[in-house]
Formats: sequence, C-alpha cells, structure tokens
Amino acid sequence: AQSVAQPEDQVNVAEGNPLTVKCTYSVSGNPYLFWYVQYPNRGLQFLLKYITGDNLVKGSYGFEAEFNKSQTSFHLKKPSALVSDSALYFCAVRDRGSQGNLIFGKGTKLSVKP
Amino acid sequence: EAQVTQNPRYLITVTGKKLTVTCSQNMNHEYMSWYRQDPGLGLRQIYYSMNVEVTDKGDVPEGYKVSRKEKRNFPLILESPSPNQTSLYFCASSLYGYNEKLFFGSGTQLSVL
Repeated sequence: AQSVAQPEDQVNVAEGNPLTVKCTYSVSGNPYLFWYVQYPNRGLQFLLKYITGDNLVKGSYGFEAEFNKSQTSFHLKKPSALVSDSALYFCAVRDRGSQGNLIFGKGTKLSVKP
Repeated sequence: EAQVTQNPRYLITVTGKKLTVTCSQNMNHEYMSWYRQDPGLGLRQIYYSMNVEVTDKGDVPEGYKVSRKEKRNFPLILESPSPNQTSLYFCASSLYGYNEKLFFGSGTQLSVL
C-alpha cells in the first residue's frame, strides 16, 4: 500500500530564513510526487511535482523540492521565507502503477514570523 | 478563466436529508475527483473518475455516490447524510490524472446536524 508522511504538524520560521517542510513516502514502485499549498479559506494550489529526471524540482513562488530515492523523501524547501508563505502544505504521492489514487499527507502548517 | 466550480460554498443540513454538491470544470479535463478534508487527517479521496461514465472508489467512499454523465460535471451525492460526514469537501480535476497537477475548487463546508 502507498502512504505519505509529513512528520511535523507545524513548522515555525523567521522571515528571511530558509525553510524546509518534510515529506516521506512509501510506494511499491516508482512514485509521482507533488506539493500543494492551501491558504486560509481557499482550495489547494499546485506548487511542484516530481515525475522523473532531475532530483531537484523547482516550482511556484520560489519553492523547490528534492527527491531522494534512497531515503524515500521529497522535502519542500525555500531559501528565504516570506510572511506570505504562511499556509498549510500538503505532500502527495501516486504509485505509477495506480491510475487514479493520489494519497495526501496530513499537512504541515507553516508559520513565518516577521 | 480556467476553474473548478463547486456549489454550495456552505451547507447545513439534518441527518437523513439527501443532498448534492455540484462540481463543474471548464478545462475539458478527463479526470475528476472528490476529497474530504478533516483536521489531523489531511485530504482523503472519496471517489474519482477517469472519464465520462467511468468512476471508481477512493479511500473513503462509504455513504457517498457520484456520477459522471458529462465530462465537465461530477456531482457528489449524499443519500442519507450523517453527522460523521460533516467535513470540508473539495472537487478537483486534471487533464488525464496520471501525473498531471490537480486544479481544486474552493471547497464546500458541510455540517450535518
């Protein structure tokens, strides 16, 4: 069975500091990996995805994520956090052998303080 | 504007009263899906559809029905709502579903009393 874990319920960062939101996954084969962001009272918005190729994926709003196959991780990163980055972040995984089932993590609340 | 539209935005109902949450997309997407979001549980998939007349169960399908008679519409039906279906519901769509990004609606906050 496939699963995804976001070990931190909340991450607190000072504005201007680098941020990392962690994600680990478990699939039987090769994964498709995604990050989404949810701002208050809004639907989720796509940030970036890993399908194949370069392990470092760049996405929207200056975010990037690194795929690490040996550690089965896909951590989200940003070199310099903004207060406006404060939101709920979801990691999601789909087993390439599965046609429709995308599994989401429980979400990590990112709080960036001025 | 490309979008996924859900209605209503908020809904309060009573146990056992049938309801439908509508979802429509204007991007000619093949794939559509319903999720529910609960605190501490993240998003869980209810049903999904790979194309017209093709639907399949997600992780938490009990108590829900869906239909996909047209490509653009994917309504979620609760035949006999119960309080444990109180949740925030999201509809989403993507071009083909396999490795495409999902476009989400704004959500429907459902309260079943």
